[in-house]
Amino acid sequence: KNQVEQSPQSLIILEGKNCTLQCNYTVSPFSNLRWYKQDTGRGPVSLTIMTFSENTKSNGRYTATLDADTKQSSLHITASQLSDSASYICVVSPGFQKLVFGTGTRLLVSP
Amino acid sequence: SQTIHQWPATLVQPVGSPLSLECTVEGTSNPNLYWYRQAAGRGLQLLFYSVGIGQISSEVPQNLSASRPQDRQFILSSKKLLLSDSGFYLCAFQRGVSYNEQFFGPGTRLTVL
Repeated sequence: KNQVEQSPQSLIILEGKNCTLQCNYTVSPFSNLRWYKQDTGRGPVSLTIMTFSENTKSNGRYTATLDADTKQSSLHITASQLSDSASYICVVSPGFQKLVFGTGTRLLVSP
Repeated sequence: SQTIHQWPATLVQPVGSPLSLECTVEGTSNPNLYWYRQAAGRGLQLLFYSVGIGQISSEVPQNLSASRPQDRQFILSSKKLLLSDSGFYLCAFQRGVSYNEQFFGPGTRLTVL
């Protein structure tokens, strides 16, 4: 069964600190992996998309890594800001226009 | 630029009433269109997707239906709402191949009482 698991479920960090969110998946076949940011009550917004051959991709203070052998990904946030408070969702695509969503990590950045 | 709209933003409906949620896309043609539902504390669940006018694929058996009467219009409907239909409904579009990004609309919060 295609699944995407994320950890931790929730996280509180102080403003300015770094954090790393984890994603493990059992999706086959594998086409690409995405990280989305979702503010409360809003639609998700894409942060990064990585294919099998890419093992790291950055978008500003967000850096995603991918280990296709162990089927793990991480999202590292550097120098966190209050506006980073949101849910971060790991999404894996097996192709065929489909996406498998994780349940997300809820991040709260505290002043 | 490409944009996606959903309405209404929020909706409160009694059990047994009909439902119609609308999604429109601007700035692109022949997109793939998707309806998702997000229940509290759970991941997004794909409900329907469409690769063209009149072409609808259903992912899960349910009380809902979808239609695509125009290239950039996607409608989610129900004849009789159930309590379990409550949730956050998101429409999304994607251009072409599976590598391309999916863009999500602002969502509709549906509460069935």
